[in-house]
Amino acid sequence: AQTVTQSQPEMSVQEAETVTLSCTYDTSENNYYLFWYKQPPSRQMILVIRQEAYKQQNATENRFSVNFQKAAKSFSLKISDSQLGDTAMYFCAFIRLNTGNQFYFGTGTSLTVIP
Amino acid sequence: EAQVTQNPRYLITVTGKKLTVTCSQNMNHEYMSWYRQDPGLGLRQIYYSMNVEVTDKGDVPEGYKVSRKEKRNFPLILESPSPNQTSLYFCASSLPGAMNTEAFFGQGTRLTVV
Repeated sequence: AQTVTQSQPEMSVQEAETVTLSCTYDTSENNYYLFWYKQPPSRQMILVIRQEAYKQQNATENRFSVNFQKAAKSFSLKISDSQLGDTAMYFCAFIRLNTGNQFYFGTGTSLTVIP
Repeated sequence: EAQVTQNPRYLITVTGKKLTVTCSQNMNHEYMSWYRQDPGLGLRQIYYSMNVEVTDKGDVPEGYKVSRKEKRNFPLILESPSPNQTSLYFCASSLPGAMNTEAFFGQGTRLTVV
């Protein structure tokens, strides 16, 4: 079974500061991808960042970066220079390939950026 | 514009009254799926489809049906809705394979069954 765990239901950060959201997962697969999705109050699911499991280099997208520790099955998201628009629910997700691209989501972390 | 369109966005219905939530994508994606989102549980997959006429159960399929008669459409059918199906529903589509693993989500459908 594949599971994704986000142990921080809620977090807050001051504007312009840095925050890290944690995620761990469990799988016996070797070929998979990991994602962070953002869900603002509009409810739209927006892809933040993606990491291929076979790549050792951590993915980065502007102010967003990940710390991918494959052996520890850990996939944390770092948001630098936090902005008010980063306020949202963040979901960590895992996907097994070639199974209909089935996503397994964590329970989410609600992030509030404080002015 | 590439998008996944769900309708309706909001729906209140009564127990036992059959309903359909439509989902359509304009990206020619093979893979489509339905998720439900509940507080404290994240998103859980209901059904998925790898191509036309190919569907399979996800993690929480009980009480739901789907069909995939055309590549672009993947409706979710609740034959006899019950209050425990009150939830936020998302349709998603993607291309198969390692190089195209981003899922595109619809805007969500807030369903309330009373």
